[in-house]
Amino acid sequence: QVQLVQSGAEVTKPGASVIVSCRTSGYTFSDYDIHWVRLAPGQGLEWMGWMNPNSGGTNYAQKFQGRVTMTRDMSISTAYMELRTLTSDDSAVYFCARPSTNVWARFHYWGQGTPVTVSS
Amino acid sequence: ERVMTQSPPTLSVSPGERATLSCRASQSVNNNLAWYQQRPGQAPRLLIYGASTRATGIPARFSGSGSGTDFTLTISSLQSEDFAVYFCQQYDSWSPLTFGGGTKVEIK
Repeated sequence: QVQLVQSGAEVTKPGASVIVSCRTSGYTFSDYDIHWVRLAPGQGLEWMGWMNPNSGGTNYAQKFQGRVTMTRDMSISTAYMELRTLTSDDSAVYFCARPSTNVWARFHYWGQGTPVTVSS
Repeated sequence: ERVMTQSPPTLSVSPGERATLSCRASQSVNNNLAWYQQRPGQAPRLLIYGASTRATGIPARFSGSGSGTDFTLTISSLQSEDFAVYFCQQYDSWSPLTFGGGTKVEIK
């Protein structure tokens, strides 16, 4: 079955960077885009962008342009999301998500979430 | 950007009763609208896509309707496991994909 397993919780300081990984299994990694979504306390879900594992192509939400990089390691079917210059507003649970088809970005499969805390 | 507005922010319902949640888009998203359920500490779970199609394994008590800018998620008879936060999401435009702020369904 399709599984997305994310790396563990992170605690970091303002100005630092964080990298969250998303290890996939149960399907061909190159066939489906990987999206990243976050949920901050008291806020709604927020889409950050997506990556095509086959080409490495990316599309980031304008809000995160210049601060986020999404990459992948095809040899281990794993996607990565790096967010830089963190502030307390970036404290959130970060999810990777996979659609059932790349044409429509509705998410049938999700990672378990990675809590990121930014605090001095 | 297509802004998604959900109402009400909180809905208090007794078990066995019907819950009706609304989602409004700032401009038409056609029927490219999904609903998700999120329980504390869990990932979102896709309930409805295409505004009205239930995802695999979703009970029939969940139904979606609407098109264009106004959408509704109805839970016909609330079970204990249905008390959660519900989000709508438009995927008509990827610039950017956007979610609503959520409706928390709580026990009355």
